[in-house]
Amino acid sequence: GAGVSQSPSNKVTEKGKDVELRCDPISGHTALYWYRQSLGQGLEFLIYFQGNSAPDKSGLPSDRFSAERTGGSVSTLTIQRTQQEDSAVYLCASSPPGSDGYTFGSGTRLTVV
Amino acid sequence: AQSVAQPEDQVNVAEGNPLTVKCTYSVSGNPYLFWYVQYPNRGLQFLLKYITGDNLVKGSYGFEAEFNKSQTSFHLKKPSALVSDSALYFCAVREWGDDKIIFGKGTRLHILP
Repeated sequence: GAGVSQSPSNKVTEKGKDVELRCDPISGHTALYWYRQSLGQGLEFLIYFQGNSAPDKSGLPSDRFSAERTGGSVSTLTIQRTQQEDSAVYLCASSPPGSDGYTFGSGTRLTVV
Repeated sequence: AQSVAQPEDQVNVAEGNPLTVKCTYSVSGNPYLFWYVQYPNRGLQFLLKYITGDNLVKGSYGFEAEFNKSQTSFHLKKPSALVSDSALYFCAVREWGDDKIIFGKGTRLHILP
């Protein structure tokens, strides 16, 4: 596609439920990143995938968070047993090989009630 | 680990005046530095980057940034502000050998007509 696509654009869920957020990167982009944007917290790095290498999970805030990337393309970020503090905009970005430039998606706004 | 500080949560500038948005960084090696902008209800967009070479980097929309190694700073500047420059600006750093970019908390820029 022309850009990084994220779905859903908005998600409201009840506390304790599991949610899945999807990211479809630009075709040919080997690197994929997940960030979380909370009010007053800026952009918090969560996880990074590069080709077939093991992902860098160093930013995941707890074991309730996990992500996978299937076939080197689409990625799913899963949050289990959601808490109110998980409410944020979750941003996905991708970049082509050898590039420093990220292209961001429009994000998924998650609200936990 | 690399980190970025944006000391100002908000900057107000009158239209036509020069603007500066401050950023300082911390890395253990050579830094790769970036500025991104987020307009209301839109995704993050790349503005400019410093990798190596000339300390003054020019980017999109008339913005520029100056890399100062001794002060570990990478302030964003524009000679004459426009109301349309009002947005949320993020400074970011990547450490050589690490593929992920770490973002600051962001600075909200208000250009007053």
